[in-house]
Formats: sequence, C-alpha cells, structure tokens
Amino acid sequence: AQSVTQPDIHITVSEGASLELRCNYSYGATPYLFWYVQSPGQGLQLLLKYFSGDTLVQGIKGFEAEFKRSQSSFNLRKPSVHWSDAAEYFCAVASGSSASKIIFGSGTRLSIRP
Amino acid sequence: EAEVAQSPRYKITEKSQAVAFWCDPISGHATLYWYRQILGQGPELLVQFQDESVVDDSQLPKDRFSAERLKGVDSTLKIQPAELGDSAMYLCASSATSGTSEQYFGPGTRLTVT
Repeated sequence: AQSVTQPDIHITVSEGASLELRCNYSYGATPYLFWYVQSPGQGLQLLLKYFSGDTLVQGIKGFEAEFKRSQSSFNLRKPSVHWSDAAEYFCAVASGSSASKIIFGSGTRLSIRP
Repeated sequence: EAEVAQSPRYKITEKSQAVAFWCDPISGHATLYWYRQILGQGPELLVQFQDESVVDDSQLPKDRFSAERLKGVDSTLKIQPAELGDSAMYLCASSATSGTSEQYFGPGTRLTVT
C-alpha cells in the first residue's frame, strides 16, 4: 500500500535561512508526488508536483523539490525563507493508475523565527 | 481567479444531531472530492465524484455519512448522527478531470461535535 512519511512534526528556522522538509514515500512503481501548503484556516495549495522527467522540480513561491528514487524521498527545499512561509506543509503521493487518489503525509508545521 | 466555495466555514453541533456541508467547485470541473482532516493529520479522501457519479467512496463511513452531487455541479456531504469523533476539518476539492489534473481545495468547514 502507498504511504507517505514526514518525520518532522515541527520545524523552526530563522527568517532568511535555508529550509529542507523531509518526505519519504512507499510505492512500488513510479509515484506521482506532490507538496502542498496549508496556511491557518485555509485550504491546501499545490506548491509543486513530480510526475516524470527532471528529478529537480521547481514550484511556486521559490520552492523546489528533488525526487530521489534510491532513497524513496521527495524533500522540499527553499534557499531563503520568509515570515510568510510559516504554515503546514504536506507531502503526498498518488498512484499511476489512479493518480486522482492522493495519499497525504501527516504534515510538518513550519515556524519562522524573526 | 475561480475558487472552490464551501459553507459553512464553522459548525458546532451536538452529538446525535444531523449536519450538512456544501461545496461549489470551480466552474467546469468534472471531478469533486471530499476529504476529512483530523487535527494534526493530513487530509483523507472520503468520496470522489466524476460528474454526478461516485467513483470512490471506499473510506466513507456509510452508516452515518452520505454524499451527493445530483446535477454534477455542487455537492453536499451529510453526517447523521454526528459523533464526537467526527470533529475535524472537511475539505472539498475539484479538478478539471480525474487523473493527473491538479486538485484545487476550498477553505474547508471546521466541525466541532459536543
């Protein structure tokens, strides 16, 4: 069965510092992978997605993620965080045959230190 | 920019009462999803519609939950009777098609069962 693990429940970084949020997935075939962001009281917004091709994916708001098949990972990165990046971040995986069924991780809450 | 609309945004109900949530997807989106997000967890798919037909309700607790999308446009999710464990955020999402099409999320309905 597909699953997603986000090992960090809560991360705090200083404004302007770099960020990396970890995500590991479990899926037999080539997965479809996503990162979503959820600000307080709001729905989820898609940051980026990986379906195939270049393993380094660029997203919105300056985020990027790298697909590493050998490590079953899809970590999210940003070179310099802004206070507005404080939110909950969800990694997700979908199957190839029914990519509309998305399995979400439990999320990582990001706090920004002034 | 078109958005997914949900109402109400907040609902407090007593256990054993009935409660209903409404979702209006982005115009023209054929696929509609209802998710439940328990505090501290990622969203979990409850039901997926393609036009007016249910294509996946495997995680919907059918003894108390029901969902409909009669004209293939807006949708209603109902809980009867509500239980304490139903307290959660209920998110609606829509996509142009199923498969790899991006899902757009509404702001959600926060349900508290007392």
